[in-house]
Amino acid sequence: QQKVQQSPESLIVPEGGMASLNCTSSDRNVDYFWWYRQHSGKSPKMLMSIFSNGEKEEGRFTVHLNKASLHTSLHIRDSQPSDSALYLCAARDSNYQLIWGSGTKLIIKP
Amino acid sequence: EAAVTQSPRNKVTVTGGNVTLSCRQTNSHNYMYWYRQDTGHGLRLIHYSYGAGNLQIGDVPDGYKATRTTQEDFFLLLELASPSQTSLYFCASSVGQGQNTLYFGAGTRLSVL
Repeated sequence: QQKVQQSPESLIVPEGGMASLNCTSSDRNVDYFWWYRQHSGKSPKMLMSIFSNGEKEEGRFTVHLNKASLHTSLHIRDSQPSDSALYLCAARDSNYQLIWGSGTKLIIKP
Repeated sequence: EAAVTQSPRNKVTVTGGNVTLSCRQTNSHNYMYWYRQDTGHGLRLIHYSYGAGNLQIGDVPDGYKATRTTQEDFFLLLELASPSQTSLYFCASSVGQGQNTLYFGAGTRLSVL
């Protein structure tokens, strides 16, 4: 079983809607989390990172982190077709290595 | 924007063949990584390095060798390629380890027939 679980595996959201993606670690030794976005046929690019409990907002994107439950979520408001991509969650473990989830495929329907 | 260049972009080889994947970064980053990406598995770390001459083993190293010849250049070697190594390979670089953004190359799609 993967140590970083992402849900859902895929998600269809209408244009203008809210997309909510989840990521939970079963490794109690992780602390920092990142969200990367990978458009089809492209390489992953860092979208947002979060290290402290609470919320972080950048434009239409908001990330939440609950360190006690090792759960982070990414919320995209006013979703655009250009947001359609694979979203990857990564967590740093005690060896400073990144553990990656298998991703959520987000499709924004015009 | 950090620059990581991979070559070739696509490669087809036969079982038992030798393959070398190349990666160059011009960001003066210390860390370089080789990942493979397969559907359902996300990104899996093969090898990484924190400087010229250094090599660290990742999570899925079997069947792969790597060499960091300079600060800029990191190579992945498959000496007896097998069909299970058919995958999308990404090289990445970062300033440090564990707290820094990874910058990825465009990827190499490898098919082993």
